[in-house]
Amino acid sequence: DTGVSQNPRHKITKRGQNVTFRCDPISEHNRLYWYRQTLGQGPEFLTYFQNEAQLEKSRLLSDRFSAERPKGSFSTLEIQRTEQGDSAMYLCASSQGTRSYEQYFGPGTRLTVT
Amino acid sequence: GQQLNQSPQSMFIQEGEDVSMNCTSSSIFNTWLWYKQDPGEGPVLLIALYKAGELTSNGRLTAQFGITRKDSFLNISASIPSDVGIYFCAGQGKETSGSRLTFGEGTQLTVNP
Repeated sequence: DTGVSQNPRHKITKRGQNVTFRCDPISEHNRLYWYRQTLGQGPEFLTYFQNEAQLEKSRLLSDRFSAERPKGSFSTLEIQRTEQGDSAMYLCASSQGTRSYEQYFGPGTRLTVT
Repeated sequence: GQQLNQSPQSMFIQEGEDVSMNCTSSSIFNTWLWYKQDPGEGPVLLIALYKAGELTSNGRLTAQFGITRKDSFLNISASIPSDVGIYFCAGQGKETSGSRLTFGEGTQLTVNP
């Protein structure tokens, strides 16, 4: 399967702990996106990368959140000092530059902060 | 910011019926996309639309990019049980930069066999 993969699929953590999620995009895609989805809502944009450059960040991405894509391939999203309000599905998507709006999503990482 | 309003919020239909749902915005969108999401999974891209008035099909699915560029429609013909899921419209608007997509809140479709 050459789709977008995300790990872990589920994460339960205690408030105040740090968590890190990984996303592996479709191999030939140069753009990678992170979205957050809460129950009953559509995905909300967090940030995106073109190759290794982080080009845009949403206001939703507080200073406790950091994303990296060090070699322009996989990406990590870290949340420091987690809060209960961080509980959500974190989705990663990738696209090819010429058709960048056609974003293909991974299965997501479900985060529960207790 | 830009918002997309989807309707209806939910639909309950019989297998074999046709389904229609739509998405509207108060501002112009340059690109419209439709996704389907199953529980616990990521959204799956169904159709992408790039030009006002464009009508595109993908099997039993047909979507249209509204002439005003402020709306889009998705039709599903002869529904089957595996059509169950949440359908999201998404768009890239004139007021947003880069490749960020704005999503609607979804239409939950239930198909009774």
